[in-house]
Amino acid sequence: DSGVTQTPKHLITATGQRVTLRCSPRSGDLSVYWYQQSLDQGLQFLIHYYNGEERAKGNILERFSAQQFPDLHSELNLSSLELGDSALYFCASSVGDYYNEQFFGPGTRLTVL
Amino acid sequence: DAKTTQPPSMDCAEGRAANLPCNHSTISGNEYVYWYRQIHSQGPQYIIHGLKNNETNEMASLIITEDRKSSTLILPHATLRDTAVYYCIVRVRGGGSNYKLTFGKGTLLTVNP
Repeated sequence: DSGVTQTPKHLITATGQRVTLRCSPRSGDLSVYWYQQSLDQGLQFLIHYYNGEERAKGNILERFSAQQFPDLHSELNLSSLELGDSALYFCASSVGDYYNEQFFGPGTRLTVL
Repeated sequence: DAKTTQPPSMDCAEGRAANLPCNHSTISGNEYVYWYRQIHSQGPQYIIHGLKNNETNEMASLIITEDRKSSTLILPHATLRDTAVYYCIVRVRGGGSNYKLTFGKGTLLTVNP
């Protein structure tokens, strides 16, 4: 158990819908990272927040957005969902804003029908 | 980040040491070697990292050659639960604003009974 929690575990929705994925980092960690893992793409970095501020963006679509709240939990919002958005979404956390020792949550499996 | 090369797959007998190689011939002086693993559909798990000295923790040992162009992750007594994809990642530990981890294809280690 990494100490990072993600909810929900599974999510099934339809195309065009909007969903919110939630992540709680390990106690004391200020950084939260989001990754997407689909079968044909491998693990892709989406976005990084540190203490409430966006730090870096990866291959995140404009239909996706994220935020980190004062209590340090983070939410990833996915809108206008397409079939290709079906994937595992992982959240990771780390102590600082530059450490590469990231601790990953169990993931949310999103299925878009 | 320096490019890494890993064999796509390896087998190991349960109870024996698993030695996973990684080539990183273009590594620069301030880049660390990180190892993560991912057990099927679970979140990646941080294992160990090092700069130039050999490192050991409760999970594994990391041996880095003197010229730092390659390294080996050693699981001293592999168990069936160590079956996973192992990723070798080389990057700077701090600095800059983009702290994403780039996961390649890794090595699928299969531990056989």
